[in-house]
Amino acid sequence: GQNIDQPTEMTATEGAIVQINCTYQTSGFNGLFWYQQHAGEAPTFLSYNVLDGLEEKGRFSSFLSRSKGYSYLLLKELQMKDSASYLCAVLDSNYQLIWGAGTKLIIKP
Amino acid sequence: IAGITQAPTSQILAAGRRMTLRCTQDMRHNAMYWYRQDLGLGLRLIHYSNTAGTTGKGEVPDGYSVSRANTDDFPLTLASAVPSQTSVYFCASSRGSDNEQFFGPGTRLTVL
Repeated sequence: GQNIDQPTEMTATEGAIVQINCTYQTSGFNGLFWYQQHAGEAPTFLSYNVLDGLEEKGRFSSFLSRSKGYSYLLLKELQMKDSASYLCAVLDSNYQLIWGAGTKLIIKP
Repeated sequence: IAGITQAPTSQILAAGRRMTLRCTQDMRHNAMYWYRQDLGLGLRLIHYSNTAGTTGKGEVPDGYSVSRANTDDFPLTLASAVPSQTSVYFCASSRGSDNEQFFGPGTRLTVL
């Protein structure tokens, strides 16, 4: 079967750095997406990785290792508005997105 | 309209009733999707459409049907609602199947 694993919940301090991990086992791989979802709202796109390595976009970076079936999302200089759920999703061989259950990130002052 | 819209925002429905959730996008995206999101579970794909006139089944299609008569609209119909269909439903669209998806605001459906 297909499986995406991410921690259920993480807590971090305002101004700090946090890394949210995602491991996957899917039938094929055509890219990995990270989305942010604030409570009661729709998911919004953060990043896309299809090749190994680090993609940096402002305070957010995403890393991919295809051989290890592993990705992480790195958030720097955390702000209170970063409190949200972070969803990892893999595009499988049929070009369908397989979603993890999400990691709820709690930021404390 | 800017982006992708869904209607209604929320609905309480008696079991056995028929219900259509509406979704419209104005981005001229080829692909559209319907997901349900339940607490503790990831988004699960119900049905999708890669282009107008075509549809496909996702992970959890039973009890749902869709149509894609044109590029902009992608309605989801529950023929005879059951309590297990209580969920938040998100419609999404993308330029192609390997592009980022844009999500509508969601419909919160309760089936009693």
